[in-house]
This record gives sequence, C-alpha cells and structure tokens, in this order.
Amino acid sequence: QQQVKQSPQSLIVQKGGISIINCAYENTAFDYFPWYQQFPGKGPALLIAIRPDVSEKKEGRFTISFNKSAKQFSLHIMDSQPGDSATYFCAASWGYGQNFVFGPGTRLSVLP
Amino acid sequence: KAGVTQTPRYLIKTRGQQVTLSCSPISGHRSVSWYQQTPGQGLQFLFEYFSETQRNKGNFPGRFSGRQFSNSRSEMNVSTLELGDSALYLCASSMGTGGTEAFFGQGTRLTVV
Repeated sequence: QQQVKQSPQSLIVQKGGISIINCAYENTAFDYFPWYQQFPGKGPALLIAIRPDVSEKKEGRFTISFNKSAKQFSLHIMDSQPGDSATYFCAASWGYGQNFVFGPGTRLSVLP
Repeated sequence: KAGVTQTPRYLIKTRGQQVTLSCSPISGHRSVSWYQQTPGQGLQFLFEYFSETQRNKGNFPGRFSGRQFSNSRSEMNVSTLELGDSALYLCASSMGTGGTEAFFGQGTRLTVV
C-alpha cells in the first residue's frame, strides 16, 4: 500500500514532442505529490509538485495532471528538449513528514 | 542561497567498518531526511530529523542511525558495513511542514569493498 508505481521505465521522444510519465498510488493518505529530475552524478532536483485538491498544475513546459478518484497522476513535458534527458521520479508523502515514497523512475531520452 | 551540502562526496570503506556521512541543510530549514539510492531498489527513505528529533523512520536495520544538531546539520552513521550498503546516500532539506518543497544534496557515493 506504500508503493508508488511509475511507467514507463524508459521513454524516447523526439525533440519538440510531448513526454508523458504516469504514476499510481494506493495509499489515500498521501497528500503531496512532487516530481523530481535527476541527472547522472547529481541529486534529484524538484521540478513541480501538486496537492490532491488541484487537478492540474503547470509550470513552464511541465504540467502535472492529478486524478484523485483513480489515484493516478502524470507529468507532461511539452516541447521536450535534449537537455530534458534525465531520470524522472514521482513521489508521494503524507502529513507533516518529509518521508517520500518514490516511484522506480523513468529514464527519458530526447533525440535531437 | 546555498544549497544542501553533503560531505564527503565519495567514500570507500571495508566490510565491517563504520562510516559517518554529513549533511548541511539550506539555511532556515529544520527538517533533514536521508535516502538510499541503488540501481536495484531505487530511492528508499531511511529517516527524517526535525528539530533534533527523529520524526520518521524507514525500514532499515538498526545499523543505520542518525542525529541532528541544534544548527539543523545532520549526520548519518552506518555501522558494521556490508557489501550491500554500497549506494548513493542522499539527504533532503525542507522547512519541515507537510507538503513543503524538499531539496536534495548531491549525495555521498559509498562503496563497500
């Protein structure tokens, strides 16, 4: 019940295309859902986050869509660029704790 | 504004030894969380400290411990190292209230030989 599932495991997109990564959870107590981007040799960097009272949040080229009833959320990267090539993690947490449950990650490759 | 600083960046230790890793959070942040990242298990939560108290703990053996000082800096200790402890250890810093942004350091790469 503590798991966060993430798909696909890897994704190849052409420059300018849309990258879509999906996550699903079981624990309805989760109330904060961030997405992190990680480059090799670096720590994860926060991209965007959402709470379940909002169905969509957009920041620049990054959009989170959230479906509370389906317990699913997704990251959309518009106009994908080669510089977006990285591993993306969705995560979830609840309450006051900063104890994230992470998805297994999606390795995104954007071809020039 | 300085980011999260982890030291050292790289460590090589022998089985059976112990190791201490350090994390300096962003100024003003009171919560420090620790994570282990491996290719097989991904990112796994170790524990969280808030105002010098352990607030949450993951499912790791007692060989993994931590503490937080009054200036919010945190240390993580692993005793009796095993080969399987080889991983990237990451700490994350945040204000500590629910649903606030957490920022990661670059991690400490621990290799146990």
